[in-house]
Amino acid sequence: NAGVTQTPKFQVLKTGQSMTLQCAQDMNHEYMSWYRQDPGMGLRLIHYSVGAGITDQGEVPNGYNVSRSTTEDFPLRLLSAAPSQTSVYFCASSMHRGRGQPQHFGDGTRLSIL
Amino acid sequence: GENVEQHPSTLSVQEGDSAVIKCTYSDSASNYFPWYKQELGKGPQLIIDIRSNVGEKKDQRIAVTLNKTAKHFSLHITETQPEDSAVYFCAAGDGNNRLAFGKGNQVVVIP
Repeated sequence: NAGVTQTPKFQVLKTGQSMTLQCAQDMNHEYMSWYRQDPGMGLRLIHYSVGAGITDQGEVPNGYNVSRSTTEDFPLRLLSAAPSQTSVYFCASSMHRGRGQPQHFGDGTRLSIL
Repeated sequence: GENVEQHPSTLSVQEGDSAVIKCTYSDSASNYFPWYKQELGKGPQLIIDIRSNVGEKKDQRIAVTLNKTAKHFSLHITETQPEDSAVYFCAAGDGNNRLAFGKGNQVVVIP
C-alpha cells in the first residue's frame, strides 16, 4: 500500500515564484489536510477538505490555495512564495471527518524559499 | 482555538527505564487525543490514541492516560529501547477531526 504520497520531497524556490505541492492517497479517504512544520512550532493546519469539491481554512491559510477535484488528490498551491513559507509540509488523510478518525501522514515536502 | 502544551521538550532516559510525556489542552470540547511518533526525515506516525470517554488505553509497552477534569493527558513508554528514540507529538482533536498539535518532545534512549 502506498498510503499518502507527497511530491516533490525537496524543493528550492525564489521569492515570488509559484509552485504546487502534490498529495495523493490510495485509501479512498474522504478527509485530507495540509500541515506545515516549523522548528519549535509543532504542526499547524493550513487547509483541509472533507470530500471532493469541499475545502476549508485551517489555522494558517494565508498565502496558500487548495482544491479537491478528486477523492485521491489534494494539491497545495503557493501563489507567490515568501521566505516565511520555508518549512516542511505534510499532507494527511483519514477515512472521514468524524471524531477520532486516525490521520495518516505522508513523508513531507521540504521547501526552501530564497 | 485549542492550545496544546507539551512538556518536557527533551527527555533522556536509560534503556529499559520508563519515559513519560505530559500534555495539557485548553478547549474542554476536544474529545480525541492521539500521539504521534516522528523519526528523522519521516512523517508523523500514529502510535496510540484515546477518546474522551476513556481514561486509559494500553498497547504493549505504550499507554496513554487522560484526565478530562484537569485537561491533561500523558504518554507512558515502558522498557524503553533505542528504537523508541524519536520526536513525539501529542494532539487534541475536535468533532470535525481538526487536530491541534503540541510542539513535540525529543526522546533520547541511551543504550
